Amino acid sequence: NAGVTQTPKFRILKIGQSMTLQCTQDMNHNYMYWYRQDPGMGLKLIYYSVGAGITDKGEVPNGYNVSRSTTEDFPLRLELAAPSQTSVYFCASSYSERDPRTQYFGPGTRLLVL
Amino acid sequence: AQSVTQLDSHVSVSEGTPVLLRCNYSSSYSPSLFWYVQHPNKGLQLLLKYTSAATLVKGINGFEAEFKKSETSFHLTKPSAHMSDAAEYFCVVSRSGSSNTGKLIFGQGTTLQVKP
Repeated sequence: NAGVTQTPKFRILKIGQSMTLQCTQDMNHNYMYWYRQDPGMGLKLIYYSVGAGITDKGEVPNGYNVSRSTTEDFPLRLELAAPSQTSVYFCASSYSERDPRTQYFGPGTRLLVL
Repeated sequence: AQSVTQLDSHVSVSEGTPVLLRCNYSSSYSPSLFWYVQHPNKGLQLLLKYTSAATLVKGINGFEAEFKKSETSFHLTKPSAHMSDAAEYFCVVSRSGSSNTGKLIFGQGTTLQVKP
């Protein structure tokens, strides 16, 4: 199993541009999450999904959108990039039938908005 | 409300010496507590978790943590540090009701440096 994969690894955006961060998991997990990690800070939850077609906001959802059309994929969309969105983004997944707090993380996407 | 505070942003130890990473929590309910580790350029990995069973929890790679309700602490320890332990460590508390959603609250992280 590849686990949780994220693309791209690194991206530079100009202010106002848009992009989609891709996340795919092959563990048949029904729960998926997007976090951002700022320097010297812990991870903050952006959005999460408890199954295909079901998404909900986390702590810091402003400026982001998500969709979950399949169990495997959970893309994160930035519509109008702002410098405040410079961060490292992590996708994670878990399985509700065990303990969904045991989460499996991707390697992260480093985003720089200039 | 729930929160978690990691008392040290950076800890440096010599290889073969004990490791202590400190974490205090605040919770209105009986908390579930976790330690996650992040090696350089990798995603986070669960080290261990406390979910109201035994207060001394053993994890992977020789790490353990003790839940102390009277001190609202969940410190992470290891008897002998190895070079491969160098990483970022996060103390995490789960939100009440999060056993259904998996929502987690992360501390700020502690960077563990291991010197030869």
